[in-house]
Amino acid sequence: ETGVTQSPTHLIKTRGQQVTLRCSSQSGHNTVSWYQQALGQGPQFIFQYYREEENGRGNFPPRFSGLQFPNYSSELNVNALELDDSALYLCASSLRLGQYTDTQYFGPGTRLTVL
Amino acid sequence: SQQGEEDPQALSIQEGENATMNCSYKTSINNLQWYRQNSGRGLVHLILIRSNEREKHSGRLRVTLDTSKKSSSLLITASRAADTASYFCATAPWGSSNTGKLIFGQGTTLQVKP
Repeated sequence: ETGVTQSPTHLIKTRGQQVTLRCSSQSGHNTVSWYQQALGQGPQFIFQYYREEENGRGNFPPRFSGLQFPNYSSELNVNALELDDSALYLCASSLRLGQYTDTQYFGPGTRLTVL
Repeated sequence: SQQGEEDPQALSIQEGENATMNCSYKTSINNLQWYRQNSGRGLVHLILIRSNEREKHSGRLRVTLDTSKKSSSLLITASRAADTASYFCATAPWGSSNTGKLIFGQGTTLQVKP
């Protein structure tokens, strides 16, 4: 157990809808990263939040957005859902000291299905 | 796009045997990490090796890193049925210390038969 929790566990949405996924980071961690993992693939970096600001982004369109709260928990929002957004969404928390980010600890993921 | 490529894609061995997985990557790195994933669940961190390290051990795990060849290997000794999982290497590209970005390969699926 990493201490990183995600909700919900599973979610089914239809194309065009919007979705919000939530992540609570491990105690003592100040950074949250989000990854998308399609079936049979490795995770792909979406973005990272540090001190409530986006701090690095992967190759994902603006309809993927996020938030980090003062308690370091985070949300991932996806607008105008597409079928290809069906995937396992993973968040990872870590401790950033200065410019260095330590090992990332992953939550169990949210399985999103878009119909 | 994926930077790391794991080899083999799938591996099936008997309990007690050793399992070796390889990872190649394309750009300079800050560190390289190995993760395990069981049945599409969350990733479990196994080991981190920094770019200035050549070998690291943790229990039954041994990781090597060759930055000149841009490759790494993960050795699991005396495998157990519970080691059955997918294994991913993930690289932290050089200069990414401000972003914390990890680039994952597609993984090696390991099956350990009792």
